[in-house]
Amino acid sequence: QSALTQPPSASGSPGQSVTISCTGSSSDVGGYNHVSWYQQHPGKAPKLIIYEVNKRPSGVPDRFSGSKSGSTASLTVSGLQAEDESDYYCSSYAGSNNLAFGTGTKVTVL
Amino acid sequence: QVQLQESGPGLVKPSETLSLTCAVSGYSVTSGYYWGWIRRPPGKGLEWIGSMFHSGISYYNPSLKSRVTISVDTSKNQFSLKLNSVTAADTAIYYCAQTRSTAWYGDFDYWGQGTLVTVSS
Repeated sequence: QSALTQPPSASGSPGQSVTISCTGSSSDVGGYNHVSWYQQHPGKAPKLIIYEVNKRPSGVPDRFSGSKSGSTASLTVSGLQAEDESDYYCSSYAGSNNLAFGTGTKVTVL
Repeated sequence: QVQLQESGPGLVKPSETLSLTCAVSGYSVTSGYYWGWIRRPPGKGLEWIGSMFHSGISYYNPSLKSRVTISVDTSKNQFSLKLNSVTAADTAIYYCAQTRSTAWYGDFDYWGQGTLVTVSS
């Protein structure tokens, strides 16, 4: 399956919001409500921050929110903080027991 | 608290087989969750390699399926990855992970720290 498409970069000033898109197709993002988002700091393992489109695991701040419209999912980080500077990846169940990851987005806090 | 730790050779020669093991502590591999392998090549994004259930059910990325085997050793509470006929394109940080739920939908909640495997002669 093909990788989901994310913008290479996004940025915002502290306190502002930034939204990252994740575009797939009806075979993955558009067909299932199993979209996840991961945050990965340099040299660290990915951390699950959103699952099933808009649910947050315990301990993840409510500044992180997810949504989906058609075949595009989005992650919004509100009230940007310095520690939010990281790489972010989406993933989606892609049917037939397959999983697709996004191309990744580097978020910079200005 | 689940902890996962990858281990294996950091250098593999082209055309040979890459073999990695993920030791699981704090939880049993027969617990009912899925276990998986994901990699990140240098300068690129994450790529799902495959996942398995302790019963032997396994799912693989179609692009890698012909070269991949994931297996579980319940006696050692660990699971393994074998990727054969490797090339330089298989150079990556390899992560093992556990799913968040007992259903296979691909959301991984616990991750190992990752291990760098370089394919070079």
